[in-house]
Amino acid sequence: LAKTTQPISMDSYEGQEVNITCSHNNIATNDYITWYQQFPSQGPRFIIQGYKTKVTNEVASLFIPADRKSSTLSLPRVSLSDTAVYYCLVGLSGNTPLVFGKGTRLSVIA
Amino acid sequence: EAQVTQNPRYLITVTGKKLTVTCSQNMNHEYMSWYRQDPGLGLRQIYYSMNVEVTDKGDVPEGYKVSRKEKRNFPLILESPSPNQTSLYFCASSFSPSSGKNTGELFFGEGSRLTVL
Repeated sequence: LAKTTQPISMDSYEGQEVNITCSHNNIATNDYITWYQQFPSQGPRFIIQGYKTKVTNEVASLFIPADRKSSTLSLPRVSLSDTAVYYCLVGLSGNTPLVFGKGTRLSVIA
Repeated sequence: EAQVTQNPRYLITVTGKKLTVTCSQNMNHEYMSWYRQDPGLGLRQIYYSMNVEVTDKGDVPEGYKVSRKEKRNFPLILESPSPNQTSLYFCASSFSPSSGKNTGELFFGEGSRLTVL
């Protein structure tokens, strides 16, 4: 199972871009990289998924280098409502046991 | 509305009293799983099921049982709960990759907070 390593916490001011990096050295060939956001007392919510290079949607971008041993979630112009825990997940949803790491607690400051 | 529904949302029980936490999804997902979340430990997978009558252990299966008799339901059973099973539990579901509908997104329930005294 691919294990992930993320920073425990990060702080940012409103309006800044935040980049959270996840290491996953033993990622398998058919694994995807998925990021989730979790607010207190709520279930995690899907943000973005990618396999390689760059993926962008309306809320975030995901950068994956060629060796795929790490990935970076980029949140443009964060606001107070982006304060949450962010999880990097490596695997193939629906096909394997999925291992969440301990997540990164992002605190956005006014 | 597409959703994963867990019950109960909150439960306080005593050591040794069997309990079941139900999970139901209305999205026709093949894959369902249970996680527990504890402070400082993130989300840890307890059991998962790739389809009806198919279940497998996750990272922390000890003390838990599951069953998958129907596609929509995946109950978590604690035969003899102990205080170390006090936790926040999440059920999640998704399409399987072979279904051709998999987007990689796991859909989570709202959580069940269990306290074992």
